[in-house]
Amino acid sequence: DADVTQTPRNRITKTGKRIMLECSQTKGHDRMYWYRQDPGLGLRLIYYSFDVKDINKGEISDGYSVSRQAQAKFSLSLESAIPNQTALYFCATSDLRTSGTDTQYFGPGTRLTVL
Amino acid sequence: AQSVTQLGSHVSVSEGALVLLRCNYSSSVPPYLFWYVQYPNQGLQLLLKYTSAATLVKGINDFEAEFKKSETSFHLTKPSAHMSDAAEYFCAVKWGGSQGNLIFGKGTKLSVKP
Repeated sequence: DADVTQTPRNRITKTGKRIMLECSQTKGHDRMYWYRQDPGLGLRLIYYSFDVKDINKGEISDGYSVSRQAQAKFSLSLESAIPNQTALYFCATSDLRTSGTDTQYFGPGTRLTVL
Repeated sequence: AQSVTQLGSHVSVSEGALVLLRCNYSSSVPPYLFWYVQYPNQGLQLLLKYTSAATLVKGINDFEAEFKKSETSFHLTKPSAHMSDAAEYFCAVKWGGSQGNLIFGKGTKLSVKP
């Protein structure tokens, strides 16, 4: 089984709809991240969480919110989706206790299309 | 602001030829450095990472990268390209110790011609 799972893997929605993307991990890592990938732009950080009680905005947090329900679960919500949020979304995890470099490990991604 | 630059959004090589993907970063402060690979329709997979133990880092699938502090570079190489190496490659840099975040380059798409 994969260490970092994301659901759904693909989602098509309409402008104005609320949508939630979920991430679960079995790695036991304390840190979790949400990124979006757009062609030619690389990955940009949306939100990150260093533990259950710690949530931080990343580079592009506007229009998004997150919830860290447990150490293993980190959800990303789009309160009112808009077409320019169409992108590939990745969840990642890391753990400073086991990796001095805080190496991040990525899920398979969720392809979101907003019509 | 700190940045990561990958020269060439697309690189094409012939099978068996040398692969060279370039990465430069903006600050001379020693960071942690990573290369990730993304195969079509998949997530990012760690290829290798620099942790200050050695300037030449070996990764999976015969890839390696050399940290050159004076040039603020961390170029990725492979002696002989294989068709299965066709993918997008991302350089990423982490500054700021335990509180810093990973900054990604925009990626380089590698094509391998038969």
